Amino acid sequence: GAVVSQHPSWVICKSGTSVKIECRSLDFQATTMFWYRQFPKQSLMLMATSNEGSKATYEQGVEKDKFLINHASLTLSTLTVTSAHPEDSSFYICSARDLRGQETQYFGPGTRLLVL
Amino acid sequence: AQKVTQAQTEISVVEKEDVTLDCVYETRDTTYYLFWYKQPPSGELVFLIRRNSFDEQNEISGRYSWNFQKSTSSFNFTITASQVVDSAVYFCAPDYKLSFGAGTTVTVRA
Repeated sequence: GAVVSQHPSWVICKSGTSVKIECRSLDFQATTMFWYRQFPKQSLMLMATSNEGSKATYEQGVEKDKFLINHASLTLSTLTVTSAHPEDSSFYICSARDLRGQETQYFGPGTRLLVL
Repeated sequence: AQKVTQAQTEISVVEKEDVTLDCVYETRDTTYYLFWYKQPPSGELVFLIRRNSFDEQNEISGRYSWNFQKSTSSFNFTITASQVVDSAVYFCAPDYKLSFGAGTTVTVRA
């Protein structure tokens, strides 16, 4: 149990295009999902907390208009990187917390984004 | 906000050696959770252990064990008889919002 998927796993795009990343909890419901980004050989940085049916809460320094988050259902959250630029190239990871409140976050496999 | 310090950047051991990873955290919360995650080269984070702050009993689970000392805000993690497959980056993280430490890269050599 407690499987989280992400799609796509790899994406290469041109500068200026938008990229959507999906995060799904496959076998549990998640009122809260989290989006992280990770640069090579660095730790994970929390970008935003995604709450089902409400607006996402962004961490300081994260542009909400740049990184659009939608949490349309208890099993799906999407992150859209709008007008991507090379500096947005990173490893994006989502996690989901089980609705049953076990406090444990389960992570997706991550999405590697390369903006040319 | 939570602050997590993993003082060890890299640890390299020979297979079958024990590895202890240090973690010191800061929190103003009186009750909280503590986690250890593993990130192998594939990139996917793997949940290892979770502890409640009010339960200081140290446990062993297979080759994993942990030492939680609330008085010193430390939550150390030990891999016994390490194996090559244990090579990964290990992250300590307190609280459900997961303020990750910088991570410790463990390399186990055959």
